[in-house]
Amino acid sequence: GAVVSQHPSWVICKSGTSVKIECRSLDFQATTMFWYRQFPKQSLMLMATSNEGSKATYEQGVEKDKFLINHASLTLSTLTVTSAHPEDSSFYICSAFPGQGRYFGPGTRLTVL
Amino acid sequence: LAKTTQPISMDSYEGQEVNITCSHNNIATNDYITWYQQFPSQGPRFIIQGYKTKVTNEVASLFIPADRKSSTLSLPRVSLSDTAVYYCLVDSNQGGKLIFGQGTELSVKP
Repeated sequence: GAVVSQHPSWVICKSGTSVKIECRSLDFQATTMFWYRQFPKQSLMLMATSNEGSKATYEQGVEKDKFLINHASLTLSTLTVTSAHPEDSSFYICSAFPGQGRYFGPGTRLTVL
Repeated sequence: LAKTTQPISMDSYEGQEVNITCSHNNIATNDYITWYQQFPSQGPRFIIQGYKTKVTNEVASLFIPADRKSSTLSLPRVSLSDTAVYYCLVDSNQGGKLIFGQGTELSVKP
């Protein structure tokens, strides 16, 4: 089956720094990828839709200047959390659609100190 | 985007059959019903998908009545490793954004 990977699997950073999370589709091309955020004991919350070759579409309430998304190729989307603060600590999950079915990455745990 | 409603939590014992029901009253004609399983600190994992009637695979069955306004995920003979959160979603399978509901936290006890 289709595989989606994320890197890193976990990251700890200091408040004010920026962190980049990668999402790759390993055996298929994805013109669209999705980024979710999940806080403890809560459901996945869609943050944005990443479109290859064009700007990302952000959900209401998500700061596009804080969560920068770049979909530079058909197999890679990156989420950069700029000037991270402790409230950005969360589990970030990406998803891709290979044409049939949805596949999710293993997630990235971000902890901001 | 259709919304789904599920019980927040369910308890079961090993070896029992578990049925989780999901309501999706506003499902569109071209929407499929998909169930995912999520363990802590992992991404969701696809379980099963159906459009109508019954679908069965090696891990679960999905029952969908004729009006498609609800669906039931059936897990036969659960084990402790089935303890997870189960999400029901409706998806047009066209690659658009997918909105998660609250999910059902299933706890399987020995």
